[in-house]
Amino acid sequence: GAVVSQHPSWVICKSGTSVKIECRSLDFQATTMFWYRQFPKQSLMLMATSNEGSKATYEQGVEKDKFLINHASLTLSTLTVTSAHPEDSSFYICSARVISAINTEAFFGQGTRLTVV
Amino acid sequence: GENVEQHPSTLSVQEGDSAVIKCTYSDSASNYFPWYKQELGKRPQLIIDIRSNVGEKKDQRIAVTLNKTAKHFSLHITETQPEDSAVYFCAATPRANTGFQKLVFGTGTRLLVSP
Repeated sequence: GAVVSQHPSWVICKSGTSVKIECRSLDFQATTMFWYRQFPKQSLMLMATSNEGSKATYEQGVEKDKFLINHASLTLSTLTVTSAHPEDSSFYICSARVISAINTEAFFGQGTRLTVV
Repeated sequence: GENVEQHPSTLSVQEGDSAVIKCTYSDSASNYFPWYKQELGKRPQLIIDIRSNVGEKKDQRIAVTLNKTAKHFSLHITETQPEDSAVYFCAATPRANTGFQKLVFGTGTRLLVSP
């Protein structure tokens, strides 16, 4: 199957700093990527849909000024957690689907475990 | 928006037994229903999926059934093995204006298969 690579796998940052997470589709183009957050023992909650060349679409309750998303190319989307606080500590996962196809398998990155201290 | 409910939250079975996980969805226009297996700290892995024009799909020990009228779908695992132990998530793809549709996940089922 297609490969989605996410970096870094884990990061520890100080409260108040910003952290950038990258999500790359390695062997296919992805017009759209999705960012999820997963708290321990909970489900994957969609945060936003990242669209190449346009603004991201955020889910209700997700602060767009805090979680900045940039999708500058067909293979790269980034999520920046700005002014991170301990409550932002979570597992962040991106996913992508093959371009020009709907209802196809979503491929996930390996996730980024963010710990804010 | 779409709401996906999943039951049970935990399921313990003996090796060799069958396991069934059930999900319901709210958006009747949803048309794609994948199931994912997630091991601790790892990415979700697709194990089987079904589209709305099909009522049942099977892949070796794993099968999924879909009842569009009742808006529910189920995962069936037969002859369970200890390596089947993981968290399983169902998901649904709701109606969208664009061709790229997001996945809405259920709450997850922690399956434990005891030897």
